[in-house]
Amino acid sequence: AQSVAQPEDQVNVAEGNPLTVKCTYSVSGNPYLFWYVQYPNRGLQFLLKYITGDNLVKGSYGFEAEFNKSQTSFHLKKPSALVSDSALYFCAVRSGGSYIPTFGRGTSLIVHP
Amino acid sequence: NAGVMQNPRHLVRRRGQEARLRCSPMKGHSHVYWYRQLPEEGLKFMVYLQKENIIDESGMPKERFSAEFPKEGPSILRIQQVVRGDSAAYFCASSPKPDSYEQYFGPGTRLTVT
Repeated sequence: AQSVAQPEDQVNVAEGNPLTVKCTYSVSGNPYLFWYVQYPNRGLQFLLKYITGDNLVKGSYGFEAEFNKSQTSFHLKKPSALVSDSALYFCAVRSGGSYIPTFGRGTSLIVHP
Repeated sequence: NAGVMQNPRHLVRRRGQEARLRCSPMKGHSHVYWYRQLPEEGLKFMVYLQKENIIDESGMPKERFSAEFPKEGPSILRIQQVVRGDSAAYFCASSPKPDSYEQYFGPGTRLTVT
């Protein structure tokens, strides 16, 4: 079985400040981890993924995420938030033996001007 | 290079009617996944299809829901005798092969049952 937890329903941050959106996971075997972003009334857009290799993964729009195996976490980060980053963010995980990812409930990021 | 297309974008049905949701995958993609997003919830997997085959339907409700992906044409998610609880956003995603790492999502169909 595989599962994802996004412990925060909402994250508020001021523009220009660093942001973190948290994600922890549970999976059998090696995890494949993903972050997606959803803007209002739109589909999900892929941001970044961790499959193997360097624990720090860089993605689109200046986002990055750090894979921490001991803490089973894959937190999304950005050094300086923009108002346009305000959206719904989803973490997803799947095992190497599954083609179907499990998504978290999503975290609403609100960046204040 | 067109992305994943879904139509209609918005669909209103009365209770008891049928809803048909269409998904055209990205060019070159032969694997399609359907998800449902309910208010205040994440995406829930429904079904995974390849051309002419259902690979995994473990997330599909046992009754009233069916899906197909014919050799020609879009994938169809069909909901018979809709009920108010079927109101949700339905998203389709595609990938070029089953072990591809990320999926590409369409804009979704928002179904409202009155």
